[in-house]
Amino acid sequence: SYELTQPPSLSVSPGQTARITCSGDALPKKYAYWYQQKSGQAPVLVIYEDTKRPSGIPERFSGSSSGTMATLTISGAQVGDEADYYCFSSDSSSNLFFGTGTKVTVL
Amino acid sequence: EALLVESGGGFVQPGRSLRLSCAASGFTFGDYAMHWVRQAPGKGLEWVSGISWNSDTKGYADSVKGRFRISRDNAKNSLFLEMNSLRDDDTALYYCAKNGRGTGTYPDYWGQGTLVIVSS
Repeated sequence: SYELTQPPSLSVSPGQTARITCSGDALPKKYAYWYQQKSGQAPVLVIYEDTKRPSGIPERFSGSSSGTMATLTISGAQVGDEADYYCFSSDSSSNLFFGTGTKVTVL
Repeated sequence: EALLVESGGGFVQPGRSLRLSCAASGFTFGDYAMHWVRQAPGKGLEWVSGISWNSDTKGYADSVKGRFRISRDNAKNSLFLEMNSLRDDDTALYYCAKNGRGTGTYPDYWGQGTLVIVSS
Protein backbone atom coordinates (compact mmCIF):
# COMPACT_ATOMS: atom_id res chain seq x y z
CA SER A 1 0.00 0.00 0.00
CA TYR A 2 1.17 3.52 -0.81
CA GLU A 3 2.53 5.69 2.00
CA LEU A 4 2.75 9.42 2.42
CA THR A 5 5.25 9.99 5.21
CA GLN A 6 5.21 13.02 7.49
CA PRO A 7 7.21 13.82 10.64
CA PRO A 8 5.09 12.96 13.70
CA SER A 9 5.59 16.29 15.39
CA LEU A 10 7.07 19.75 15.01
CA SER A 11 7.48 22.54 17.52
CA VAL A 12 8.09 26.23 16.77
CA SER A 13 7.98 29.49 18.67
CA PRO A 14 5.37 32.13 17.77
CA GLY A 15 6.52 34.13 14.76
CA GLN A 16 8.86 31.43 13.50
CA THR A 17 8.45 29.46 10.30
CA ALA A 18 7.14 25.90 10.43
CA ARG A 19 7.86 23.59 7.52
CA ILE A 20 5.96 20.30 7.33
CA THR A 21 7.13 17.73 4.81
CA CYS A 22 5.26 14.95 3.03
CA SER A 23 7.20 12.28 1.20
CA GLY A 24 5.71 9.98 -1.44
CA ASP A 25 7.01 8.20 -4.51
CA ALA A 26 4.20 9.43 -6.78
CA LEU A 27 4.43 13.10 -5.80
CA PRO A 28 6.52 14.04 -8.86
CA LYS A 29 3.40 13.35 -10.94
CA LYS A 30 0.57 13.88 -8.46
CA TYR A 31 -0.70 16.98 -6.68
CA ALA A 32 -0.46 17.32 -2.92
CA TYR A 33 -3.19 18.77 -0.75
CA TRP A 34 -2.94 19.90 2.87
CA TYR A 35 -5.47 19.88 5.70
CA GLN A 36 -5.45 21.46 9.13
CA GLN A 37 -7.34 19.71 11.92
CA LYS A 38 -7.68 21.46 15.25
CA SER A 39 -8.59 19.47 18.32
CA GLY A 40 -12.17 18.21 18.21
CA GLN A 41 -12.89 19.77 14.83
CA ALA A 42 -13.32 18.59 11.26
CA PRO A 43 -10.35 19.06 8.91
CA VAL A 44 -10.03 22.24 6.85
CA LEU A 45 -8.35 22.44 3.44
CA VAL A 46 -5.45 24.93 3.56
CA ILE A 47 -3.56 24.15 0.31
CA TYR A 48 -4.70 22.45 -2.89
CA GLU A 49 -2.86 21.46 -6.07
CA ASP A 50 0.55 21.83 -4.38
CA THR A 51 0.57 25.61 -4.06
CA LYS A 52 -2.93 27.12 -4.20
CA ARG A 53 -4.63 28.63 -1.17
CA PRO A 54 -8.44 28.44 -0.78
CA SER A 55 -10.26 31.67 -0.08
CA GLY A 56 -10.22 32.56 3.58
CA ILE A 57 -6.91 30.82 4.32
CA PRO A 58 -4.28 33.28 5.60
CA GLU A 59 -1.34 34.15 3.35
CA ARG A 60 1.10 32.76 5.92
CA PHE A 61 0.13 29.28 4.68
CA SER A 62 1.96 28.27 1.51
CA GLY A 63 2.76 25.05 -0.30
CA SER A 64 5.47 23.76 -2.57
CA SER A 65 6.49 20.49 -4.15
CA SER A 66 9.73 19.19 -5.58
CA GLY A 67 10.47 15.64 -6.60
CA THR A 68 9.08 13.15 -4.10
CA MET A 69 8.47 15.75 -1.38
CA ALA A 70 5.72 18.28 -0.81
CA THR A 71 6.03 20.96 1.85
CA LEU A 72 3.53 23.07 3.78
CA THR A 73 5.06 26.24 5.18
CA ILE A 74 3.53 28.37 7.92
CA SER A 75 5.37 31.69 7.90
CA GLY A 76 5.10 33.55 11.18
CA ALA A 77 3.27 30.75 12.98
CA GLN A 78 0.64 31.79 15.51
CA VAL A 79 -0.61 30.02 18.61
CA GLY A 80 -3.89 29.55 16.78
CA ASP A 81 -2.10 27.45 14.14
CA GLU A 82 -1.56 24.64 16.63
CA ALA A 83 -3.16 21.61 15.02
CA ASP A 84 -2.60 18.32 13.27
CA TYR A 85 -1.70 18.70 9.61
CA TYR A 86 -2.24 16.04 6.96
CA CYS A 87 -1.11 15.83 3.37
CA PHE A 88 -3.28 14.03 0.79
CA SER A 89 -2.48 12.66 -2.62
CA SER A 90 -2.83 9.67 -4.90
CA ASP A 91 -0.61 6.83 -5.98
CA SER A 92 0.26 6.01 -9.59
CA SER A 93 -3.06 4.14 -9.93
CA SER A 94 -5.04 7.13 -8.59
CA ASN A 95 -5.91 5.47 -5.28
CA LEU A 96 -6.27 8.14 -2.61
CA PHE A 97 -4.31 8.44 0.64
CA PHE A 98 -3.73 10.73 3.56
CA GLY A 99 -0.32 11.26 5.05
CA THR A 100 0.60 10.02 8.50
CA GLY A 101 -0.03 13.43 10.04
CA THR A 102 2.11 16.01 11.86
CA LYS A 103 1.25 17.57 15.19
CA VAL A 104 2.38 21.19 15.20
CA THR A 105 2.94 22.91 18.52
CA VAL A 106 3.44 26.68 18.71
CA LEU A 107 4.84 27.84 22.05
CA GLU B 1 -22.11 28.11 2.14
CA ALA B 2 -21.86 24.33 1.95
CA LEU B 3 -23.37 22.31 4.78
CA LEU B 4 -22.90 18.57 5.23
CA VAL B 5 -24.69 16.69 8.00
CA GLU B 6 -23.88 13.03 8.61
CA SER B 7 -26.18 10.61 10.40
CA GLY B 8 -26.65 6.91 10.98
CA GLY B 9 -23.73 6.20 13.26
CA GLY B 10 -24.06 4.19 16.42
CA PHE B 11 -23.08 1.09 18.33
CA VAL B 12 -23.05 -2.16 16.36
CA GLN B 13 -21.76 -5.67 16.92
CA PRO B 14 -19.00 -7.16 14.76
CA GLY B 15 -20.31 -8.77 11.61
CA ARG B 16 -23.42 -6.58 11.46
CA SER B 17 -24.31 -3.78 9.03
CA LEU B 18 -24.89 -0.05 9.25
CA ARG B 19 -25.90 2.59 6.73
CA LEU B 20 -24.57 6.12 6.98
CA SER B 21 -26.22 9.11 5.35
CA CYS B 22 -25.02 12.59 4.53
CA ALA B 23 -27.45 15.43 3.80
CA ALA B 24 -25.97 18.21 1.67
CA SER B 25 -27.10 21.79 1.22
CA GLY B 26 -25.71 25.17 0.23
CA PHE B 27 -24.22 24.00 -3.08
CA THR B 28 -25.30 22.15 -6.23
CA PHE B 29 -24.82 18.62 -4.92
CA GLY B 30 -25.17 16.92 -8.31
CA ASP B 31 -22.20 18.86 -9.70
CA TYR B 32 -19.62 17.42 -7.30
CA ALA B 33 -17.95 14.14 -6.51
CA MET B 34 -18.21 13.17 -2.85
CA HIS B 35 -16.08 11.31 -0.33
CA TRP B 36 -16.25 9.40 2.94
CA VAL B 37 -13.23 9.75 5.22
CA ARG B 38 -12.84 8.18 8.66
CA GLN B 39 -10.74 8.77 11.73
CA ALA B 40 -10.29 6.12 14.41
CA PRO B 41 -10.07 7.44 17.99
CA GLY B 42 -6.72 9.17 18.48
CA LYS B 43 -5.55 8.22 14.99
CA GLY B 44 -5.05 9.89 11.62
CA LEU B 45 -7.34 10.39 8.67
CA GLU B 46 -8.14 7.52 6.30
CA TRP B 47 -9.84 8.00 2.94
CA VAL B 48 -12.61 5.36 2.74
CA SER B 49 -14.55 5.84 -0.47
CA GLY B 50 -15.48 8.29 -3.20
CA ILE B 51 -18.14 8.61 -5.90
CA SER B 52 -18.30 10.74 -9.03
CA TRP B 53 -21.05 13.29 -9.59
CA ASN B 54 -23.08 10.87 -11.74
CA SER B 55 -22.24 7.67 -9.78
CA ASP B 56 -20.34 6.27 -12.77
CA THR B 57 -17.07 6.00 -10.88
CA LYS B 58 -16.67 4.66 -7.36
CA GLY B 59 -13.50 3.99 -5.41
CA TYR B 60 -12.71 2.24 -2.14
CA ALA B 61 -9.79 1.88 0.21
CA ASP B 62 -8.38 -1.64 0.30
CA SER B 63 -9.43 -1.90 3.95
CA VAL B 64 -13.15 -1.68 3.06
CA LYS B 65 -13.27 -3.04 -0.49
CA GLY B 66 -15.93 -5.73 -0.84
CA ARG B 67 -17.60 -4.77 2.46
CA PHE B 68 -18.64 -1.12 2.00
CA ARG B 69 -20.74 0.38 -0.79
CA ILE B 70 -21.05 4.07 -1.61
CA SER B 71 -24.07 5.57 -3.36
CA ARG B 72 -25.82 8.89 -3.85
CA ASP B 73 -29.22 10.33 -4.67
CA ASN B 74 -28.79 13.64 -6.46
CA ALA B 75 -32.53 14.33 -6.38
CA LYS B 76 -32.41 14.22 -2.58
CA ASN B 77 -28.97 15.83 -2.16
CA SER B 78 -27.83 12.79 -0.22
CA LEU B 79 -24.76 10.58 0.03
CA PHE B 80 -24.75 7.12 1.58
CA LEU B 81 -22.29 4.53 2.85
CA GLU B 82 -23.54 1.00 3.36
CA MET B 83 -21.18 -0.84 5.68
CA ASN B 84 -21.37 -4.63 5.92
CA SER B 85 -19.39 -7.26 7.83
CA LEU B 86 -18.26 -4.61 10.26
CA ARG B 87 -15.08 -5.23 12.27
CA ASP B 88 -13.67 -3.74 15.46
CA ASP B 89 -11.17 -1.73 13.42
CA ASP B 90 -14.00 0.02 11.55
CA THR B 91 -14.66 1.97 14.75
CA ALA B 92 -14.18 5.62 13.81
CA LEU B 93 -15.69 9.03 13.24
CA TYR B 94 -16.96 8.99 9.66
CA TYR B 95 -16.86 12.26 7.74
CA CYS B 96 -18.73 13.11 4.57
CA ALA B 97 -16.82 15.54 2.34
CA LYS B 98 -17.47 17.43 -0.86
CA ASN B 99 -14.93 17.28 -3.67
CA GLY B 100 -13.03 20.39 -4.61
CA ARG B 101 -13.52 22.42 -7.76
CA GLY B 102 -11.74 21.64 -11.00
CA THR B 103 -10.39 18.33 -12.14
CA GLY B 104 -8.65 17.24 -8.97
CA THR B 105 -10.03 14.50 -6.72
CA TYR B 106 -9.81 15.73 -3.15
CA PRO B 107 -12.14 16.61 -0.26
CA ASP B 108 -12.48 20.36 0.23
CA TYR B 109 -15.38 20.82 2.65
CA TRP B 110 -16.24 18.41 5.45
CA GLY B 111 -19.17 17.68 7.72
CA GLN B 112 -18.78 17.20 11.48
CA GLY B 113 -18.90 13.41 11.29
CA THR B 114 -20.94 10.55 12.71
CA LEU B 115 -19.42 8.08 15.16
CA VAL B 116 -19.47 4.35 14.50
CA ILE B 117 -18.50 1.98 17.32
CA VAL B 118 -18.09 -1.69 16.49
CA SER B 119 -17.87 -3.85 19.56
CA SER B 120 -19.27 -7.02 21.06
